[in-house]
Amino acid sequence: KAGVTQTPRYLIKTRGQQVTLSCSPISGHRSVSWYQQTPGQGLQFLFEYFSETQRNKGNFPGRFSGRQFSNSRSEMNVSTLELGDSALYLCASSPEPANYGYTFGSGTRLTVV
Amino acid sequence: SQQGEEDPQALSIQEGENATMNCSYKTSINNLQWYRQNSGRGLVHLILIRSNEREKHSGRLRVTLDTSKKSSSLLITASRAADTASYFCATVGPSGNTPLVFGKGTRLSVIA
Repeated sequence: KAGVTQTPRYLIKTRGQQVTLSCSPISGHRSVSWYQQTPGQGLQFLFEYFSETQRNKGNFPGRFSGRQFSNSRSEMNVSTLELGDSALYLCASSPEPANYGYTFGSGTRLTVV
Repeated sequence: SQQGEEDPQALSIQEGENATMNCSYKTSINNLQWYRQNSGRGLVHLILIRSNEREKHSGRLRVTLDTSKKSSSLLITASRAADTASYFCATVGPSGNTPLVFGKGTRLSVIA
């Protein structure tokens, strides 16, 4: 079956712009989580959604937001981009939270210039 | 914030040797998971071990969990060059209602 699909794979944006990243989970998976990965901070948790409800939110400013649709697809949005937002953004899905391993997508590499 | 902390940060071994990576965590857990990440790509789930389990195996991988010491280890036997990657442990809190939180990882280099 198809894996977790993240689009786009690469993105270059200018400071102050906004960006929307998309994640399509494995069919049947209702839990989607987002992570930001940077060399300095490692893997930082952003959001977790389950059945369209935000279950957990990481310690990120309000510029970072997300949502999950009825088909379990998820998007995250970053407004007013800063240079420090440059990172690999990873999406992961699982059948339900906590009790299963996550399947990760290949990520979106965001560069803010 | 990171819950797990892997040790060592980097490990270099010869092909055919065993590699052992350790993970320590601060609070009680529901389960602990190990992941592999090849350079700049998505993570791959390796093993999930629950708090009431002590050891699990998957192919050349062996994971142990000691909840009294709040630590886990990942053993890769007979390492191959293809095992070169970063390895992360991640934990879920005891209620199962907290997100999966990752450590900073161990960078493993297997030299052919």
